[in-house]
Amino acid sequence: GESVGLHLPTLSVQEGDNSIINCAYSNSASDYFIWYKQESGKGPQFIIDIRSNMDKRQGQRVTVLLNKTVKHLSLQIAATQPGDSAVYFCAENLGLYNFNKFYFGSGTKLNVKP
Amino acid sequence: DTGVSQDPRHKITKRGQNVTFRCDPISEHNRLYWYRQTLGQGPEFLTYFQNEAQLEKSRLLSDRFSAERPKGSFSTLEIQRTEQGDSAMYLCASSPGSLTNEKLFFGSGTQLSVL
Repeated sequence: GESVGLHLPTLSVQEGDNSIINCAYSNSASDYFIWYKQESGKGPQFIIDIRSNMDKRQGQRVTVLLNKTVKHLSLQIAATQPGDSAVYFCAENLGLYNFNKFYFGSGTKLNVKP
Repeated sequence: DTGVSQDPRHKITKRGQNVTFRCDPISEHNRLYWYRQTLGQGPEFLTYFQNEAQLEKSRLLSDRFSAERPKGSFSTLEIQRTEQGDSAMYLCASSPGSLTNEKLFFGSGTQLSVL
C-alpha cells in the first residue's frame, strides 16, 4: 500500500526467513533503478541496481526483479538478519531529458524479529 | 575513496537565521545532487550540478535557498531566513555520471532543526 505521512508500510519477518519488498514506479521511460537501505539517522545506502534491459539481478543475499509491463520492482532478501532492519526505498532514474534525476518512493520499513 | 561527506551532521537554529551546509562528493564524480527528506518520506529532489553548472532546481527550492559548486568539487547549500518548515534532513549525493555508471551514493546528511 501507499504511505501517508508517518505511516510507512511495514513488513515484519522472522530472522532467517526471506523478505520481499515491493515497489511500484511511476515513469515508463525510467531505465535505471536502485534499491537503497536507510537506517535511522543515516543517509540511504546503495544496495543493488538494475537497468531496464534486465529483469533480474542478484547480489549477495539480495535479488532485484523488474517487471516493466506493470512498472514493478521487488527486492528479495535471503535469510533476513536483524541487521537488515531498516527502511528500504526504490529509486527510478528519470533519464537524460530529466537531468538523470532519481525519484524515490515513500519506502517500506522492514522489521526483523529475532 | 572516503564516500560522500557532509558537514555539519546536525544543525539547530532559530527561525530567521541563515544556515549553510557543505557537501564533499566522491572524488571525480561529476554529478552532485541535493535532496531533502522529512520523517517518513523518501528523499525529494532539490537541485543538480553537472560539474560546476547547476542544471536544474526543483520548485521546492524557494528563493531563500541557494546552492553552489564553484569549482566542480564541493558544494554548499544555503538557506536564508530559515522557517520551521525547513526542518528536515538535507542529503547530498554524487554520481560518476557516465553512461555506464550512474550509481548514486549518498552522504549521511545534515539534520536541520529550526526552532
